[in-house]
Order: sequence, then structure tokens, then C-alpha cells
Amino acid sequence: EVQLVESGGGLVQPGGSLRVSCAASGFTFSSYDMNWVRQAPGKGLEWVSRISGGGGSTYYADSVKGRFTISRDNSKGTLYLQMNSLRVEDTAVYYCARRSSTVVINYYFYYMDVWGTGTTVTVSS
Amino acid sequence: DIQMTQSPSSLSASVGDRVTITCRASQSISSYLNWYQQKPGTAPKLLIYAASSLHSGVPSRFSGSGFGTDFTLTISSLQPEDFATYYCQQTYSTPLTFGGGTKVEIK
Repeated sequence: EVQLVESGGGLVQPGGSLRVSCAASGFTFSSYDMNWVRQAPGKGLEWVSRISGGGGSTYYADSVKGRFTISRDNSKGTLYLQMNSLRVEDTAVYYCARRSSTVVINYYFYYMDVWGTGTTVTVSS
Repeated sequence: DIQMTQSPSSLSASVGDRVTITCRASQSISSYLNWYQQKPGTAPKLLIYAASSLHSGVPSRFSGSGFGTDFTLTISSLQPEDFATYYCQQTYSTPLTFGGGTKVEIK
């Protein structure tokens, strides 16, 4: 069964750090780019970051650039998000999501087809 | 950044109703538009990709259409399990952006 399971969430003070993880199973992890998407309480979805299958390319939302670092260990089938200088507004459920694609007449269409259950990060004093 | 605007933000409908949700992009995104369904306390699920392609396992009562800046998600006959929040997402450029969501509630 294809599955993503996040862990590592918790309560942290403003300015603190936290690392969340996402364990993948049931598919060839290294063949897929992976994303982090977050959802603040009662709010919509916000894309946070993406990493290529080999880990060589990373992308970030402006709201987290310079503070968060995405990485992966393909030998362990695990995705990470290191979050530093945390702010109250980073409070959210953090989901990892697999990036898949379909080719239509030489055009690649990307989508997030597998999502984890989420891990909650609360930034509060 | 490309802004995605959904309307309405919420709607009330009855089982069996035809429901239409609209998503508008701030610039042309061709067909790089996906739709997700999210139920309370759970992760989003992919419904439609490339504006109109039905994801595997998704019931055929769901359909998507549109190109450029204007897109539509239609549920042809609303079922009890369809009461949820729906999000559009553009994948034309980074940063990926989502619409604000449309909550479909029971009338």
C-alpha cells in the first residue's frame, strides 16, 4: 500500500526549531519529487516547499524561505522539513504529498496524488 | 505569484443536486489546474488534474472543465459523502497556489 506518515510535530516557542519527518512506503521514493503543504487552523492550504527526487533541487514559498530547509534520505525513504526561527503564524498541520505527473502531447501535468495524515506544529509561548 | 480565487466560499445543497464551483486564476495557466476534496480532520484527496482529467478511483459524477483563467468543478448529483471543502490549485508556476476553498454543506 502506498503510504506517507508524518511525525515530529509538537509545541515550540517562537524563535525555536523543529524537524518534522515523512516516512514513505509502497512506492519507489527516489523516483518522485515531494512536497510539504500546510494548513493553519480553520484556514486553507498553503504550499511550503518541494524537493526533487534526487534531492538536488529545492523550492520554497517566500513565507518560509531562509528559515525552513527541505531534505530527503532516499536510503531511508524519508522526507524532512527543518523549521528554524519559528513564528506564531507557522502554526499549522503539515502534510507531505507526493508529486506525480501525466504527459499529454509532450506537456507534463503535475499533481499531488498521495498525502500523509499530517503532523501538527504549534508555535506559542 | 498567481492568485487563485474560488467562488462561492460556501454553499448549501441537497442530496441529488447539481453543484458547480468556480476557480479563477489571476493570469492564464493553460490547463495546469487541479481540484482536491478535503473532509474535516483528514488530508486532501485529488479529484481532478489537468483541469478535466478524473483521478483514478474518483466517481464519474465529478467533472472539471476550463482553460486559461476560468475553471469549473461540477458534481452532477451530490451524494452524502460529497459534503466537504473543495480546493483548486495551479501548477503552472512556482510557488504553487491554492484557492481559498469552497465548503459544501447540507441544506
